[in-house]
Amino acid sequence: GENVEQHPSTLSVQEGDSAVIKCTYSDSASNYFPWYKQELGKRPQLIIDIRSNVGEKKDQRIAVTLNKTAKHFSLHITETQPEDSAVYFCAASDTGNQFYFGTGTSLTVIP
Amino acid sequence: GAVVSQHPSRVICKSGTSVKIECRSLDFQATTMFWYRQFPKQSLMLMATSNEGSKATYEQGVEKDKFLINHASLTLSTLTVTSAHPEDSSFYICSASGQLQETQYFGPGTRLLVL
Repeated sequence: GENVEQHPSTLSVQEGDSAVIKCTYSDSASNYFPWYKQELGKRPQLIIDIRSNVGEKKDQRIAVTLNKTAKHFSLHITETQPEDSAVYFCAASDTGNQFYFGTGTSLTVIP
Repeated sequence: GAVVSQHPSRVICKSGTSVKIECRSLDFQATTMFWYRQFPKQSLMLMATSNEGSKATYEQGVEKDKFLINHASLTLSTLTVTSAHPEDSSFYICSASGQLQETQYFGPGTRLLVL
């Protein structure tokens, strides 16, 4: 089955700096990679996703890159703000019927 | 995006009782629903996957007789924690996805405390 690894587990950045979270996956059949943001005590919220036919996707301060050959994908947050502080999860899916989540990254943006 | 509701948001029960948690997709048909358990500061642990009208598929280590899942319609799935014990106290989150390969949309979660 699929195995998704996520690094780092914790990340602290100064406000305004960039944050990068990386995930690797093992199953080459995976073709859909969403990223979720979860604030304390709340539900995970989809913030961006990418499909395997695309190498990069950007939405304002958030971008995701995908390297299918190396089987890794990354979340990039630029100009970080305190409200970006949360736990971020990556996931990989091949059919939409099964999602494999990373272990999460706790991001702290220091004002 | 799609909306998924979950009820109740919090529940406190006595040890030995059963608790039912409902998960509803409000504006789309959820062919597949997922149930997760999340411990503090940890990732989502998939408990089971259910397709409408079919029996749920449980992950290894999850007792199907203890965590009863019903997905009777395209908008409703229920998780019943039977004979709950303190170790079942946790944050339970459901999610739903539609017919096409798309992302999961999460419910707000249910915090269960078993005394």
